[in-house]
Amino acid sequence: GAVVSQHPSWVICKSGTSVKIECRSLDFQATTMFWYRQFPKQSLMLMATSNEGSKATYEQGVEKDKFLINHASLTLSTLTVTSAHPEDSSFYICSAPQRLAATYEQYFGPGTRLTVT
Amino acid sequence: DAKTTQPPSMDCAEGRAANLPCNHSTISGNEYVYWYRQIHSQGPQYIIHGLKNNETNEMASLIITEDRKSSTLILPHATLRDTAVYYCIVRVRVVADTGKLIFGQGTTLQVKP
Repeated sequence: GAVVSQHPSWVICKSGTSVKIECRSLDFQATTMFWYRQFPKQSLMLMATSNEGSKATYEQGVEKDKFLINHASLTLSTLTVTSAHPEDSSFYICSAPQRLAATYEQYFGPGTRLTVT
Repeated sequence: DAKTTQPPSMDCAEGRAANLPCNHSTISGNEYVYWYRQIHSQGPQYIIHGLKNNETNEMASLIITEDRKSSTLILPHATLRDTAVYYCIVRVRVVADTGKLIFGQGTTLQVKP
C-alpha cells in the first residue's frame, strides 16, 4: 500500500511557541490531505482538509488562525500549531487519499505526539 | 454518511477467532462498510471493506448481513498483536470522493494469552 510519513514523530514545546508538523505522501501525489487530532482514550477527530494550491477547509469548531495548514506541493502538507498551549497537547495524524480504480482510498501517517509544557 | 454503533470493548483469547460486530441500520444503497484499526500510538490501518458481498483478505473477513444493516469483522486467529481499537466506518465510495473518513468510538479489542 501507499506510504504516508509524518515529521516529527514527537515534539515537546513550551507554551506560547509554534510547532510545525509535516505530512508527506512518499510514493504518490495527493491534492488533498486530512488532519486529525486524537486525545488520550478518544477517537480521531477530523480537524481540516488540506487542499493543494488553495485554502484549507476547517471543520466546525477548529480555529483556522491557530492551526495553520499549508499544502505546498502534491506530496507535502504542513500543520502549524501557533501559540501552543498545554491543552493543544495531543496526537496529530494526517492522511492522504490515493486514487485506486474509480475512487480513493485513505492512507494514514504514523502520527505526531505533541506535548506543550 | 450513515452512523455506526460498535460495542466499546471486547476480549478474545489468543488463537481464537475475534468477531467484532457493527450496526449500521441507516446505511444507504451506495454506502460501503470499511474497517480500520489503530494500534496504540500509531496511525489507523486499513483492514477491509465491502458493499454487500462477504469479503476476505489476508488480514480478516467481513460478513455483511443481507439487509446490510449490520456487519461483522472476523479475525480468524487472533494474536496479541491484534490488540487495537477497531473502527467500523460507512461511507459513500464515488469518483468525486476523496475518501474523508469520520471516525466513531470504535471497539477496543484486547487479545489475551
